[in-house]
Amino acid sequence: DGGITQSPKYLFRKEGQNVTLSCEQNLNHDAMYWYRQDPGQGLRLIYYSQIVNDFQKGDIAEGYSVSREKKESFPLTVTSAQKNPTAFYLCASSTQGDQAQHFGDGTRLSIL
Amino acid sequence: ILNVEQSPQSLHVQEGDSTNFTCSFPSSNFYALHWYRWETAKSPEALFVMTLNGDEKKKGRISATLNTKEGYSYLYIKGSQPEDSATYLCALTDGSDKLIFGTGTRLQVFP
Repeated sequence: DGGITQSPKYLFRKEGQNVTLSCEQNLNHDAMYWYRQDPGQGLRLIYYSQIVNDFQKGDIAEGYSVSREKKESFPLTVTSAQKNPTAFYLCASSTQGDQAQHFGDGTRLSIL
Repeated sequence: ILNVEQSPQSLHVQEGDSTNFTCSFPSSNFYALHWYRWETAKSPEALFVMTLNGDEKKKGRISATLNTKEGYSYLYIKGSQPEDSATYLCALTDGSDKLIFGTGTRLQVFP
């Protein structure tokens, strides 16, 4: 079945550690996105990528980094510079002509 | 910066009741409005993408209307069922690839 796979579902990080969240899609979509959700707030865009080897900052990119070496994969690294990383992270993808975004199940990141 | 507001924040209805909620947005720079349904422990699912003023879309018992001149969209659910319980998100795009999301309306339908 086509879809978006995020892993792991739950992730724990120690203070000062970088951690990478995985997002893989087999929908052949060109664009991929990372969002963060905090209680009482809407989804906020961290980074997005429209094509391989290219990506743009979203509204809250500080403390995060991404790569897009393959069309199917868009991993997000939460660096130690991100002061408040505890949140729920959603990955999405879309294709030109289909404006709707397709989402993964999310990763919940917590600080130990 | 585009700002998308949704109301109410949460809603509790009885099975069989019809309900509706609102998404408000600035009418300038409008390109498209999205509605998503997000059930607990699942991923958000696209319901509608609307672009034209006066547009009305329907999917089963769920329908949505769009007024781009005054900057609002309504989502209606006719004869709510417990399986309709979810958070309903609206999101706006100005034609870029970015979506600006509202905070959502959490609907709970009691049997």
